[in-house]
Amino acid sequence: SSELTQDPAVSVALGQTVRITCQGDSLRSYYANWYQQKPGQAPVLVIYGKNNRPSGIPDRFSGSSSGNTASLTITGAQAEDEADYYCNSRDSSGNPLLVFGGGTKLTVL
Amino acid sequence: QVQLQESGPGLVKPSETLSLTCTVSGGSVSSGSYYWSWIRQPPGKGLEWIGNIYYSGSTNHNPSLKSRVTISVDTSKNQFSLKLSSVTAADTAVYYCARVSLGAVIDPWGQGTLVTVSS
Repeated sequence: SSELTQDPAVSVALGQTVRITCQGDSLRSYYANWYQQKPGQAPVLVIYGKNNRPSGIPDRFSGSSSGNTASLTITGAQAEDEADYYCNSRDSSGNPLLVFGGGTKLTVL
Repeated sequence: QVQLQESGPGLVKPSETLSLTCTVSGGSVSSGSYYWSWIRQPPGKGLEWIGNIYYSGSTNHNPSLKSRVTISVDTSKNQFSLKLSSVTAADTAVYYCARVSLGAVIDPWGQGTLVTVSS
């Protein structure tokens, strides 16, 4: 299986823009998906595929990808965006195996 | 809308087998459009994919756990299940069940259930 690498922690000032990245070989073949997890709660899908938002996810969340790196961008971060963020994709083997990044703790200052 | 709910013992003794069931409502595990997955999260740590099952019974597992994991599906009850054998304290985690669609998109997730391995 392959691995996805995320920065452990990122901070952003209230109202500013922040980018959270995810690196891995599988991202050369497959899109990353992004999940937000708040303390004591299950993860919630916020971005999937090329740059798609599920219903109910604010449009300040967006996704992009280049080479082996995927990014989640929050434009105008709000206090309620403080959470852990995880990326995932398919394993590069071609089988339907899944991999996760280690997660990024986002602090909104 | 589809909802998933995990159920099973919250405490398992070391060396025994952890058994969990996920009940799906608002949708069918027999749908050919999805895989059904187990994911876990040790306290204070990140997410770890355990394995998938397709309605046909075809499974895929995390290579790091493969020899201990059994995932099965019961289409008549609209449920799928996880068995993890020979557990140790390192298997203590919140266990989530979830639906997985094309592109490894995991949505929705169950609320999760904490399983503690302790004597």
